[in-house]
Amino acid sequence: AQSVTQPDIHITVSEGASLELRCNYSYGATPYLFWYVQSPGQGLQLLLKYFSGDTLVQGIKGFEAEFKRSQSSFNLRKPSVHWSDAAEYFCAVGGMRFGAGTRLTVKP
Amino acid sequence: NAGVTQTPKFQVLKTGQSMTLQCAQDMNHNSMYWYRQDPGMGLRLIYYSASEGTTDKGEVPNGYNVSRLNKREFSLRLESAAPSQTSVYFCASSARSQGTGELFFGEGSRLTVL
Repeated sequence: AQSVTQPDIHITVSEGASLELRCNYSYGATPYLFWYVQSPGQGLQLLLKYFSGDTLVQGIKGFEAEFKRSQSSFNLRKPSVHWSDAAEYFCAVGGMRFGAGTRLTVKP
Repeated sequence: NAGVTQTPKFQVLKTGQSMTLQCAQDMNHNSMYWYRQDPGMGLRLIYYSASEGTTDKGEVPNGYNVSRLNKREFSLRLESAAPSQTSVYFCASSARSQGTGELFFGEGSRLTVL
């Protein structure tokens, strides 16, 4: 059965620091992988997606993610976090199944 | 361009009452979805419609019904609301089916069942 695990419920980073949000999945084949961001009181917006090809994908707002088949992971990264990145982040597998989310707090 | 529009944005019901959440998209997408979002559980798929005239159950369909009225509209009905259905509901649409494409979300409908 498909499943998505985001091990970190809440992460706090300082503004300007680097960020990595973890996502692990269970899927029968190479999945379609997505990261979405949700600002408070809003719907979800796509950050980036991976279907095939280059395992390092670039997204909006300076985010990137790397697909690692051997680790069944699709971790989201950003080199330098801005205060406006504070939000909840969701990993999705197969486009329809979502992880529980990771809430990001940014310290000034 | 409105994208995905949900109504109402807020609703309070008493246990046993019924209601329908409406969703419309103007992007000519084939697939539409209903999710519920609960703290610590992410988004869980209730029902989806891969194309006009078809609907399928998701992870948590019990207590809900859906109607794909036409290509634009996909409604979610609670026939007899229960407190466990207190949640934020999101409608989404996609140009592609079976989870292979980007989902475009509405702003959500917050439902409280007393």
